[in-house]
This record gives sequence, structure tokens and C-alpha cells, in this order.
Amino acid sequence: EPEVTQTPSHQVTQMGQEVILRCVPISNHLYFYWYRQILGQKVEFLVSFYNNEISEKSEIFDDQFSVERPDGSNFTLKIRSTKLEDSAMYFCASILSQGREKLFFGSGTQLSVL
Amino acid sequence: AQSVAQPEDQVNVAEGNPLTVKCTYSVSGNPYLFWYVQYPNRGLQFLLKYITGDNLVKGSYGFEAEFNKSQTSFHLKKPSALVSDSALYFCAVRVSRGGTYKYIFGTGTRLKVLA
Repeated sequence: EPEVTQTPSHQVTQMGQEVILRCVPISNHLYFYWYRQILGQKVEFLVSFYNNEISEKSEIFDDQFSVERPDGSNFTLKIRSTKLEDSAMYFCASILSQGREKLFFGSGTQLSVL
Repeated sequence: AQSVAQPEDQVNVAEGNPLTVKCTYSVSGNPYLFWYVQYPNRGLQFLLKYITGDNLVKGSYGFEAEFNKSQTSFHLKKPSALVSDSALYFCAVRVSRGGTYKYIFGTGTRLKVLA
């Protein structure tokens, strides 16, 4: 089965530093998402992305966050100035079209902000 | 607000016994409901979905879920649990806004199947 790939698997950073989390969605998928999971439990929606623009974002996704699809394959999440509370597992997901229902998730990037 | 609730943080069941993981939903219109499973250090994997039709839907690994409109529930079930079913299970609902969709997940239920 096709896979969503995320790198790195772990990222440790100092508070106030910028991080970029990378995702390669499944090649023919058109809709992309970032979710985060805190303490291995609740999965929270951050942002959805289609046609090179944000479709929807949550209240968590403030001005410190941004997403882009720079080259038609990678899908990145940037946190401009990390805070301690940004420590979480970040998951990228993609779906072929809105008529399909099966979200494909990557294995996640564990972000630790010290 | 549209949401799903999973009232149990953890469910313990003996191997070979039937299991149920509960989920209730609150959505406007017809719900699109899902179950996902997460194994340690992995992303979420799709198990099954309810869109329309038969209230009992079958999914991967022998799991099934029953949609109950009057009780606004979508409980996950399996007739005979395996130790390998031990994982974190998430109920989700698809909601639409402005022509695009997002998936809202419940808080997760950890299933422990005891040998």
C-alpha cells in the first residue's frame, strides 16, 4: 500500500528556534493535512491544504505556523519560534480527493522543545 | 460544534472475548464516521467507515462497527479479541466547510487484550 513519508522521525530543538517538519504525501493525492498528538493521546487538527492554499486552520495554527508545498511533492510545516507547548507528535496525512474517505497518515515527527 | 466522544480512556478484555469500544457523535446532517487504529510509534491506520446504508459495517482485521442513529453512536466491535489488537483506537467524523473536509478525532481509547 502507498505510504505517506515524514522526516525527521524525531526533532529536538531549543525554545525560540524555527523547525521545519517535512512530509511526502502519496503522489496522486490532492488534499493534505497536519495533525498533532500530545502525550500519545488526543489527535488535534491543525490545518488542511488544497490547491496550494490553506483550506481551513484551527485556533492552534497561529501566526507561528505556516505550511507550503514548495515543489509539488513535499508538504512542509514550519514553526517559526517554537514554544515548550509545541512539543508533540506531528502527523501529516493525505487523501486522494474529497470524494474518497480514507486518510493516509505518515508515521509522525516527534518534536521536543527544550 | 461537531464532535465525537470516546467515553473510555482504556478498555481491558481477555483474549477470545468479544470487545466493544464506544463512540458517540454530534454532527449536523448525515454523519460520515470512521475508526482508526494506532500502533506504537506509528501513524493512524484506517479500519472502517460508515457513510450510508447498512448500519453494521465491516472493516480490517475482523473489526466491525454499528451505526445507531437514535443513540448517535458508532461503537467498534470484534467478536473475539486477539492480543495483537492491543492498540489505541480513534473514532472520527468528517465535517465539511466551504467545500473541503476535515476529520475530527475523538480522544482515543486504549485497548488492552490480556492473554
